Amino acid sequence: QSALTQPASVSGSSGQSITISCTGTSSNIGGHDRVSWYQQHPGKAPQLIIYEVIRRPSGVSNRFSASKSGNTASLTISGLQTEDEADYYCASHGDVNILVFGGGTKVTVL
Amino acid sequence: QLQLQESGPGLVKPSETLSLTCTVSGGSISDDYNWWGWIRQTPGMGLNWIGSIFYSGATHYISSLRSRATISVDTSKNQFSLKLNSVTAADTAVYYCARQVGGGVWAFDIWGRGTRVTASS
Repeated sequence: QSALTQPASVSGSSGQSITISCTGTSSNIGGHDRVSWYQQHPGKAPQLIIYEVIRRPSGVSNRFSASKSGNTASLTISGLQTEDEADYYCASHGDVNILVFGGGTKVTVL
Repeated sequence: QLQLQESGPGLVKPSETLSLTCTVSGGSISDDYNWWGWIRQTPGMGLNWIGSIFYSGATHYISSLRSRATISVDTSKNQFSLKLNSVTAADTAVYYCARQVGGGVWAFDIWGRGTRVTASS
């Protein structure tokens, strides 16, 4: 059982937008602005796509955006492309000096 | 370009100690800013943070593994290591080492390729 709750799967058609939710508690997401998101293709290491709730690392497509409200963080992928088909994980800094991950969401492009 | 590479045995017997090393190249582990962490991924399951270390030796661990895990750093070799004792089948996973962005960001921006470890007799 992961500390953060994500939907197991989300799907969308090419060109559409999808949103993945990540729900925690006041001890992690709600109490810290240190939420990150990772994309993982099969057999590959995770890649950081969002950090500090909304920031994108250099080189990450601006089709990825994120937000946070209360104990829930969200990742939105706009203009869905086949290359976006992957697993997505949220993570959050939590009390005290720990990092917790979500269980992951499989994104399918229809 | 900074790179990380995990190394260590792929098979560990139950009750024994899992030992992995992460070698950092293309940059210094002693940069006085970033932390260095271990994350594992069990088969078909999600990611789990094990712990992180600063070049000074300061560490943070997830509470569930604190009693069994030890992360250490060797700045002369630009390496950091993970030891996990009393392993069971539940410790079978792909183990990743990664750079944790400094400044309290709590995100991992550069990852190794991962190494698969099986706990079995």
